[in-house]
Amino acid sequence: KNEVEQSPQNLTAQEGEFITINCSYSVGISALHWLQQHPGGGIVSLFMLSSGKKKHGRLIATINIQEKHSSLHITASHPRDSAVYICAVSGGGADGLTFGKGTHLIIQP
Amino acid sequence: DGGITQSPKYLFRKEGQNVTLSCEQNLNHDAMYWYRQDPGQGLRLIYYSQIVNDFQKGDIAEGYSVSREKKESFPLTVTSAQKNPTAFYLCASSTTREGSGYTFGSGTRLTVV
Repeated sequence: KNEVEQSPQNLTAQEGEFITINCSYSVGISALHWLQQHPGGGIVSLFMLSSGKKKHGRLIATINIQEKHSSLHITASHPRDSAVYICAVSGGGADGLTFGKGTHLIIQP
Repeated sequence: DGGITQSPKYLFRKEGQNVTLSCEQNLNHDAMYWYRQDPGQGLRLIYYSQIVNDFQKGDIAEGYSVSREKKESFPLTVTSAQKNPTAFYLCASSTTREGSGYTFGSGTRLTVV
């Protein structure tokens, strides 16, 4: 069973700062997902990646398959980025995701 | 627009009562999932279904039951046998292709008093 670890658990930063959230997993995967959860609870999928790097607006996600490690970066952070960011992995097939515990990010104005 | 609808958003029940949470999707996804979220813990898989009329237990299935009579619907029943039912419940769906993305519902917060 895959173990997914995220760090840090909590992160408070000032508006404009560059943010990095890390995720590591223990067993080979078919894909890694970065998700965003706002206080209301609903989850939005930000990225799904199996290699390399993806960028969407101010968000960048990278993955190193050999190291079993992924990072989520936020450039020019803004208070509206405040949310819980969750890393999840899938092992192939359709038997669901294994989730990290999430990183609670607060961006102060 | 396609998506997943969970209802209700908030649900209160008395201890000892069964309660059913609804999950409907119009994405034509074959696979559907139920997850439970508790404070300080990652989401954990309760049940999943890859095809109509078939479903599999996840990591924490005890005290829960599901059905998959239609492709679009995957209701979850929290039974009185579930020791700590108060939690946030999230439904998701995906195709069965490897590398498929997942779509999530907005969740149901269940409080048992």
